Amino acid sequence: DVKVTQSSRYLVKRTGEKVFLECVQDMDHENMFWYRQDPGLGLRLIYFSYDVKMKEKGDIPEGYSVSREKKERFSLILESASTNQTSMYLCASILRDPGNTEAFFGQGTRLTVV
Amino acid sequence: AQKVTQAQTEISVVEKEDVTLDCVYETRDTTYYLFWYKQPPSGELVFLIRRNSFDEQNEISGRYSWNFQKSTSSFNFTITASQVVDSAVYFCALSEGGTGNQFYFGTGTSLTVIP
Repeated sequence: DVKVTQSSRYLVKRTGEKVFLECVQDMDHENMFWYRQDPGLGLRLIYFSYDVKMKEKGDIPEGYSVSREKKERFSLILESASTNQTSMYLCASILRDPGNTEAFFGQGTRLTVV
Repeated sequence: AQKVTQAQTEISVVEKEDVTLDCVYETRDTTYYLFWYKQPPSGELVFLIRRNSFDEQNEISGRYSWNFQKSTSSFNFTITASQVVDSAVYFCALSEGGTGNQFYFGTGTSLTVIP
């Protein structure tokens, strides 16, 4: 059974803290993504990675960084958490050729910054 | 510019009614892929369908059907005889062939089926 696992379902952090959101997939997918979901705004891409140690900025990268040291793991880092980063964060992975498969999503991490 | 537009923010229907969710996309690529995902209240995104740009055949899966029309850049989703379990947020998404498989999502349509 294919799986994308996010390390936490719910997180509460304080303003200014450094926050790590972890995502692991067991499907040997090349491409991994981090999205942020807010009401009325849909899913917005923060960063994506198409290979180990490779990363590309998405639409809203400000305030975030990522790390991909191993193929199966893609981490999202909030360098200094702020209240406007309170949101639902979704990780996804997909094979490089999307014609044969779909993106698989984790269960989401609901982050609250206080 | 928004690559995927879901103009319907919220829809409510009475159980057993049919409902169509609209999706309009924008791309200059000749090779692209379109998707529909369902997000129930539990939060996880559930894959429903994928179409590639070369396959305009409409598809039916049980009570679900999809109408892909390249001429109008639309990929609409119809639920026939809706049920309460269909209540969810539905997302349409586009992946272009040459951009590292980046997915562009619409803003979603929240469907409520009233018993």
